[in-house]
Order: sequence, then structure tokens, then C-alpha cells
Amino acid sequence: GAGVSQTPSNKVTEKGKYVELRCDPISGHTALYWYRQSLGQGPEFLIYFQGTGAADDSGLPNDRFFAVRPEGSVSTLKIQRTERGDSAVYLCASSRGSSSYNEQFFGPGTRLTVL
Amino acid sequence: DAKTTQPPSMDCAEGRAANLPCNHSTISGNEYVYWYRQIHSQGPQYIIHGLKNNETNEMASLIITEDRKSSTLILPHATLRDTAVYYCIVRFRDDKIIFGKGTRLHILP
Repeated sequence: GAGVSQTPSNKVTEKGKYVELRCDPISGHTALYWYRQSLGQGPEFLIYFQGTGAADDSGLPNDRFFAVRPEGSVSTLKIQRTERGDSAVYLCASSRGSSSYNEQFFGPGTRLTVL
Repeated sequence: DAKTTQPPSMDCAEGRAANLPCNHSTISGNEYVYWYRQIHSQGPQYIIHGLKNNETNEMASLIITEDRKSSTLILPHATLRDTAVYYCIVRFRDDKIIFGKGTRLHILP
């Protein structure tokens, strides 16, 4: 079956611009997670959705970052006034539910480059 | 911060067993040990998880010490495709994964 998909695969933007990154989770998965990964580092947690609501947004670095999941399926990560330090691979993952023992399936990521 | 400690890199000859260690001395009673790996330019991939008992699946085996303060991931017959960064993670009730820097495993032909 289809896995987690993310679009675009690559995004190049200029400092100060607004970007949106999309995540399509596995069908039926109620939990969705966003992570970002800088070069040479492990992925860093950003936000977690259970259904439509953000259950934990403690990893969002500042108020320029925002994410939505209006219908409990597709999610969009939005970054305002991008900075060069936002350059990273943004990873999305989904799992079946809120149990802490559920496996998370990751997408291939979106590579964001801010010039 | 990640609650695990792993060596930054390891080498293993192709066809041999790869044994990747992980220390998690502060693990609590309800936390599971998970292993993920990340092949270059891909998202992390789940390998295996366990609580107390040793576990085995089609990819690997997980050996957890009796005091649960450390574990070892075993890839029984390593191939070049197993070259990746391997992350050992402990997770409690919160669903988010806190990744460390992992172990970069090089499989040598």
C-alpha cells in the first residue's frame, strides 16, 4: 500500500518568503508528526497531531512555524519569513493511533533550502 | 535530550553479524526500547522494539539486558544495503520520538 508522501521533495526559497510543506499520511492513520533534520543530526521533533488537533507543539522553534491538519488527514507545515537557519529536511510520519507503542512510518522528507 | 548513548560509528564486514550497542541507564519501567535506521536521503525506517524480553523479527534481533540499562541490535548477516545510521530510542507514553545522533554503520565488502 501507499506510504507517507510529502510534497514538494525539494523547495528552494529566498530569505523572508513564506513556504508550505505538505504531508499525506497513510490512510487511516490518526496520528501525524512533523520533524526536521539538519545536516549530520538526528531528526528533531516539531509537532504531533492526534486527529485534527495539535496534541503537542512543544518542538516548534518559534511563532514563524505553524502546522494544520483541518480534516484529520493531510497536514501542512507553514513557515513565515523564512531564515537561512530554517534550511533542513522536513520529515513527516504517521501512526495508527495515540498508543505510545505504535510504529511511526516516515515519509521521504522535503528538503528546504533558504537562500 | 536523547536518553540513549551510542557509538558514533562502527564497521562490519559483509556477511557477518553487526552488533550495535546502546546504553539507556535512565530508562523507566514503562519505556520501550526502539530501533530505527536511516539510509542516506531517506526517512527513518522502523526496525524493532522491545520492553524486557529479547525480540526477533525478519530484520533483526534485539537483546535487552536484565536490568534494562542497555541493549544490542543484531543484524545477523549484514549486507551493503544495511549501511545506514541506526538510532536507539526509548519512549514513554508521549508519542514523539527523541532522536540522538545514532551510530553510522559501515558495511565493508
